[in-house]
Amino acid sequence: KAGVTQTPRYLIKTRGQQVTLSCSPISGHRSVSWYQQTPGQGLQFLFEYFSETQRNKGNFPGRFSGRQFSNSRSEMNVSTLELGDSALYLCASSQDRGNTGELFFGEGSRLTVL
Amino acid sequence: GENVEQHPSTLSVQEGDSAVIKCTYSDSASNYFPWYKQELGKGPQLIIDIRSNVGEKKDQRIAVTLNKTAKHFSLHITETQPEDSAVYFCAASKGAGGTSYGKLTFGQGTILTVHP
Repeated sequence: KAGVTQTPRYLIKTRGQQVTLSCSPISGHRSVSWYQQTPGQGLQFLFEYFSETQRNKGNFPGRFSGRQFSNSRSEMNVSTLELGDSALYLCASSQDRGNTGELFFGEGSRLTVL
Repeated sequence: GENVEQHPSTLSVQEGDSAVIKCTYSDSASNYFPWYKQELGKGPQLIIDIRSNVGEKKDQRIAVTLNKTAKHFSLHITETQPEDSAVYFCAASKGAGGTSYGKLTFGQGTILTVHP
């Protein structure tokens, strides 16, 4: 069974630009969550989608947005990039069923903002 | 919102020794406490989790204990091996019981180094 796939793996942008990151969850998983990982702030929750609806949102500015498609694939977008947005962006999927709480993480998209 | 504190930030042990990592949480409504291991260049991977209706859980060399009254939980690794070297994260959520598991509040992480 294929794992969570994130694209692109690495990207470099300049301040003011925007970026779109993609996440393909494990087949059958309906929940997709996004996290930002930085050395200073650690792992911080961005948002979670389930059945194309945003179910939870973290404390990030409106420049950070996301969506989920009918096939459970998800994208997140960051507009008007700032230097502080440089981070590893991790996507995680889960079955979201019964007592199964495990999140399966992808390897992340590493964004560098110059 | 929830706040999770994790200690120590770095931990160095000899192969075969035990390692203990401790976390405290602030929201008494949290009911699900997973531990994730992250190796270099990879995403975090669940190694063990515990729900608030359980005080202890064990899986081979790994165990987790939970003290709801004190709002802290700990990861215990016995007979450590070099391949246990990684960054370990504790987390908390209100996911158990049918609500969303996707929103986790993570601790800052512990870099564990196991020397051969």
